[in-house]
Amino acid sequence: SAVISQKPSRDICQRGTSLTIQCQVDSQVTMMFWYRQQPGQSLTLIATANQGSEATYESGFVIDKFPISRPNLTFSTLTVSNMSPEDSSIYLCSGHSLNYGYTFGSGTRLTVV
Amino acid sequence: QQQVKQSPQSLIVQKGGISIINCAYENTAFDYFPWYQQFPGKGPALLIAIRPDVSEKKEGRFTISFNKSAKQFSLHIMDSQPGDSATYFCAASKASGTYKYIFGTGTRLKVLA
Repeated sequence: SAVISQKPSRDICQRGTSLTIQCQVDSQVTMMFWYRQQPGQSLTLIATANQGSEATYESGFVIDKFPISRPNLTFSTLTVSNMSPEDSSIYLCSGHSLNYGYTFGSGTRLTVV
Repeated sequence: QQQVKQSPQSLIVQKGGISIINCAYENTAFDYFPWYQQFPGKGPALLIAIRPDVSEKKEGRFTISFNKSAKQFSLHIMDSQPGDSATYFCAASKASGTYKYIFGTGTRLKVLA
């Protein structure tokens, strides 16, 4: 299957600061997505990362809070801005390929204090 | 229309028993139904998937049963093992287009040794 590397794996951040999460996928992936998963909960799609253009956000998520970049086919970043404790969650990068469907990174466990 | 309902929320099975997890969907446009397995601290990993042109798909100890008229599908884990203890998510999507998945709420499976 496709290989997805995500970092950092975890971080503890002060409220009001921002954290950028990086995601590197292998060349089999055509589409990239960012998900949020509260501990013990399901996955909620934040946005589709579009190469070279603005991401497509789902209802309830906005660019000012979760700016996303995808400068090329295999790399994307998600920034969680002006963090509050409510942003504490697991953030997952995923990629879609026609051969393997969705592949997920191992996630970034974010704690905001 | 966009929901995927999953049950049970948690499941405890004896080693060697059969684990059964059920999902129901509403959108008849969905035509791809994967199951994901997630271990603590890891991203979800594709376990098995089915398209609605077949009623059953089996891979090793894992079987998906699909009932198109009832808009339901289920995962059966035969001869359940302690190593199967994980959280399982069903999902539904269209096999082409945006490839966005709608995930179920998850089932936490514990297999007792």
